[in-house]
Amino acid sequence: QKEVEQNSGPLSVPEGAIASLNCTYSDRGSQSFFWYRQYSGKSPELIMSIYSNGDKEDGRFTAQLNKASQYVSLLIRDSQPSDSATYLCAVAQPGGYQKVTFGTGTKLQVIP
Amino acid sequence: EAGVTQFPSHSVIEKGQTVTLRCDPISGHDNLYWYRRVMGKEIKFLLHFVKESKQDESGMPNNRFLAERTGGTYSTLKVQPAELEDSGVYFCASSRRTSGRQTYEQYFGPGTRLTVT
Repeated sequence: QKEVEQNSGPLSVPEGAIASLNCTYSDRGSQSFFWYRQYSGKSPELIMSIYSNGDKEDGRFTAQLNKASQYVSLLIRDSQPSDSATYLCAVAQPGGYQKVTFGTGTKLQVIP
Repeated sequence: EAGVTQFPSHSVIEKGQTVTLRCDPISGHDNLYWYRRVMGKEIKFLLHFVKESKQDESGMPNNRFLAERTGGTYSTLKVQPAELEDSGVYFCASSRRTSGRQTYEQYFGPGTRLTVT
């Protein structure tokens, strides 16, 4: 079992729709979770961080965390073609360590 | 505020040669990380510096890789001698000083694409 699992996609949504990206992780003790966006040939860009169960909203982005289910998701409202990219889920080791484990990413395509 | 910078952006070397990658973190960030993405695979952790000290080097593939961060500012990652499987994109990231048990947000540089032929 991979430490951080994501559906590779591509996930295609029409412009203006809600895109839902999911991620599961294996270490039940993990405390810190991150979503990065990566355009082709570019570096990962931090979008959201979440540390507590529940929802965290920032503009059109909402991160959701459920530690009991070991599940973290990212919702993108009013999806735009410029949101088309690969979204990486990253999970930090428990215990305050700074080592972060990445998933392989989900490719999102927003269709105009 | 300037972001994380890396040099060079692209390097092509022959098997057996030496290459040194450089990373300049965001000013004031004590934590510096190296990651690598091999084609088709996920981004993988290599090592973590806190200031000039290696905090975690569990991801370093073998002793052909040497990372340094003299003075706690910029860092270098040397590969000597390079092998074909070392090809990939090497990312550097930095984060601010940590406290407690929280893992702080890491900001990535543009990466160095290394091609070993």
